[in-house]
Amino acid sequence: DVKVTQSSRYLVKRTGEKVFLECVQDMDHENMFWYRQDPGLGLRLIYFSYDVKMKEKGDIPEGYSVSREKKERFSLILESASTNQTSMYLCASRSSGVETQYFGPGTRLLVL
Amino acid sequence: GENVEQHPSTLSVQEGDSAVIKCTYSDSASNYFPWYKQELGKRPQLIIDIRSNVGEKKDQRIAVTLNKTAKHFSLHITETQPEDSAVYFCAASGGYNKLIFGAGTRLAVHP
Repeated sequence: DVKVTQSSRYLVKRTGEKVFLECVQDMDHENMFWYRQDPGLGLRLIYFSYDVKMKEKGDIPEGYSVSREKKERFSLILESASTNQTSMYLCASRSSGVETQYFGPGTRLLVL
Repeated sequence: GENVEQHPSTLSVQEGDSAVIKCTYSDSASNYFPWYKQELGKRPQLIIDIRSNVGEKKDQRIAVTLNKTAKHFSLHITETQPEDSAVYFCAASGGYNKLIFGAGTRLAVHP
């Protein structure tokens, strides 16, 4: 069974703080993704990575950065959190040979 | 840009009825179309997918149809049960191994 885990289920941060969200997968997947989920907007892609140290912008990268130093770990960084980044953040991974993406449980972030 | 539209945004049915959710996509190069189910407080999970070389696929009570010419695909759930209540997302493959998701449909099945 593919296992994708995220470091926190719930986070509360203050405006201006630097926030780290971590995602770990245990299936040696090459590709990893960060989405944010907002009601009525579905899942929007923030960044993705197809290999260690490689990253590509998704549809809404502004205000975010990512880091992939190891194959199993993909971090999402909010350099200076703002209230409009309050959202559910979902990580996903997939193997390059298979199209199916597997999701983590999500991190609900509240920025005050 | 790449876009997936999903309708309806909410759907309420009686137990035992059928439910249909429809999606249209913009990128004619899309060739993979998964459907995810997200129960309250849980992660999205793949329930069925279809590739562009197939027009229909069934798995027990769920089926997906694809019309490549019209660029739309649909999820059909027959004999709905209360445990089918969830948010359903369609998606279409985009460039660079991406998936483009629809906005989601909240399905409520009433006993």
